[in-house]
Amino acid sequence: EAGVVQSPRYKIIEKKQPVAFWCNPISGHNTLYWYRQNLGQGPELLIRYENEEAVDDSQLPKDRFSAERLKGVDSTLKIQPAELGDSAVYLCASSLSTGGNYGYTFGSGTRLTVV
Amino acid sequence: DAKTTQPPSMDCAEGRAANLPCNHSTISGNEYVYWYRQIHSQGPQYIIHGLKNNETNEMASLIITEDRKSSTLILPHATLRDTAVYYCIVRGTGGFKTIFGAGTRLFVKA
Repeated sequence: EAGVVQSPRYKIIEKKQPVAFWCNPISGHNTLYWYRQNLGQGPELLIRYENEEAVDDSQLPKDRFSAERLKGVDSTLKIQPAELGDSAVYLCASSLSTGGNYGYTFGSGTRLTVV
Repeated sequence: DAKTTQPPSMDCAEGRAANLPCNHSTISGNEYVYWYRQIHSQGPQYIIHGLKNNETNEMASLIITEDRKSSTLILPHATLRDTAVYYCIVRGTGGFKTIFGAGTRLFVKA
């Protein structure tokens, strides 16, 4: 099993440019999460999907961030335009269910640097 | 979901047991205690979880107090490779408000 696959691994862009991150969760995992992790801090939830439906996006800065999971499998997170403060590691995670007895599997993340 | 409190850092000698505490005094009855760890430049890795009973797997043991307000993750024989940030989180049904704190940075020293 490949685990949660994210790409790219690293991305450097200039401010005001757009950027997109891709995530392929573990096969059969209906729930997908995007997290942002700033240096020295724990991950912060941005958005949660149940299949193709975004059921919790309250922490997503909707003026510049968007996400989609069209067929309920892989997902894309986009930032447009990027700002210097968006520099962080963007993590994708998936789980079989949102039930408390199901843990998350995280990908390796995309490290974004905005210059 | 309940918040957790962990010490910011701990040291452990290689080969000794590492005992990482976590306080979750506001945990509710249907919330599980989870432990993850994050090695530099990688995503968090699942270690173990439990509801009421103590749990053990090939990586670690989890001891949950009877009142469930705190727990301890035990790495029985710490190695240099166990140097990482360890996160204790609580997660109930729904789980969408699961909060990761800053975790405990464990340094295993030779």
